[in-house]
Amino acid sequence: KQEVTQIPAALSVPEGENLVLNCSFTDSAIYNLQWFRQDPGKGLTSLLLIQSSQREQTSGRLNASLDKSSGRSTLYIAASQPGDSATYLCAAPNFGNEKLTFGTGTRLTIIP
Amino acid sequence: DTGVSQNPRHKITKRGQNVTFRCDPISEHNRLYWYRQTLGQGPEFLTYFQNEAQLEKSRLLSDRFSAERPKGSFSTLEIQRTEQGDSAMYLCASSHRDNYGYTFGSGTRLTVV
Repeated sequence: KQEVTQIPAALSVPEGENLVLNCSFTDSAIYNLQWFRQDPGKGLTSLLLIQSSQREQTSGRLNASLDKSSGRSTLYIAASQPGDSATYLCAAPNFGNEKLTFGTGTRLTIIP
Repeated sequence: DTGVSQNPRHKITKRGQNVTFRCDPISEHNRLYWYRQTLGQGPEFLTYFQNEAQLEKSRLLSDRFSAERPKGSFSTLEIQRTEQGDSAMYLCASSHRDNYGYTFGSGTRLTVV
């Protein structure tokens, strides 16, 4: 059974700084990994989907990496802005099906 | 296409009442998923459909819960005899078989009083 862990649970950084969010998963036999953003009381917005054949995926100021052998993924946010404040969730599928297992998220606060 | 749509956005109900939520997926997506999220936790899998077939149900889905997806289009999630522990955000997502990336709706927040 897949287990996903996200560290830290919460992070506060001044505006303009670069930052890294971490995600680890126990079952490395995954075909992709997805990062989501969730604003308070809202649904999930997909940020990046990394296929198992890829090592990185970029969208604007966001860059996600995937290392299946070590069971880790990172989400890098460049030049952080107050609008980046949200909870960031990492999700990996379970072997043999598409059911996603989520971490508990990292609550990010960007201080103006 | 306007994405995944969920209705209602909020639902307050008295304990013991039945509630039904609706999800309209992205039209070309043949897979549909229901998740439940409580405060401070990540979403937990409830069930999923491929077209109209319900392929998997979580043990979280007690016999008070039932989900349908008639004709492989929209889906409904019904909770009978609601309990306070059912209070949560209910999230729906869809995906295309060949892509596997999920698109989530805005969720339905259920409060049982």
